Amino acid sequence: EVQVVESGGGLVQPGGSLRLSCAASGFTVSSNYMSWVRQAAGKGLEWVSVTYSGDTTYYADSVKGRFTISRDSSKNTLYLQMNSLRAEDTAVYYCVRDQNVWGQGTMVTVSS
Amino acid sequence: EIVMTQTPATLSVSPGEGATLSCRASQSVSSNLAWFQQKPGQAPRLLIFGTSTRATGVPARFSGSGSGTEFTLTISSLQSEDFAVYYCQQYNNWPRTFGQGTKVEIK
Repeated sequence: EVQVVESGGGLVQPGGSLRLSCAASGFTVSSNYMSWVRQAAGKGLEWVSVTYSGDTTYYADSVKGRFTISRDSSKNTLYLQMNSLRAEDTAVYYCVRDQNVWGQGTMVTVSS
Repeated sequence: EIVMTQTPATLSVSPGEGATLSCRASQSVSSNLAWFQQKPGQAPRLLIFGTSTRATGVPARFSGSGSGTEFTLTISSLQSEDFAVYYCQQYNNWPRTFGQGTKVEIK
């Protein structure tokens, strides 16, 4: 079965760091467009970042310079390293393969 | 970045009726437009990609049309499971951008 499962969310103070993981099964992360999309409570979807074709990456302006997307082919896992976190980064973070495989999300709360 | 604007914000529809949702892009996205459905407490689900191609398992009552900057999602006869929030997304340019969503509620 093709699926992705996110982990690593939690409560972090402003200015802190967190690394999200997305474990994939049924396919290879290195062969697909892998993205992170987030959603604040009661709000819409916000595209965050993508990685594909080896090391090609793009970021939303709101996270550029603070977040880093990466993949570990040996673990078939996607990551999102989030530094200098702000209150406005509080959201559910979804891992997405292409556009059609979504995880259930992991909650990130940035608060003191 | 390309701004995606969805109208209306909320659409009240009776079961069995049709619904038309609109999505406008601030500049052309060619046919690189997708629609997603999201129900409360669930992850989004891909409905339509390439403006008009239904994703696997999506019922034929969902159809997409348009090109360039104007797009439409039509639900021909709403079923109880169709009441949800719908988002359009352009994937022609980086960064990818979503519309703010249209909530389809029971009238």
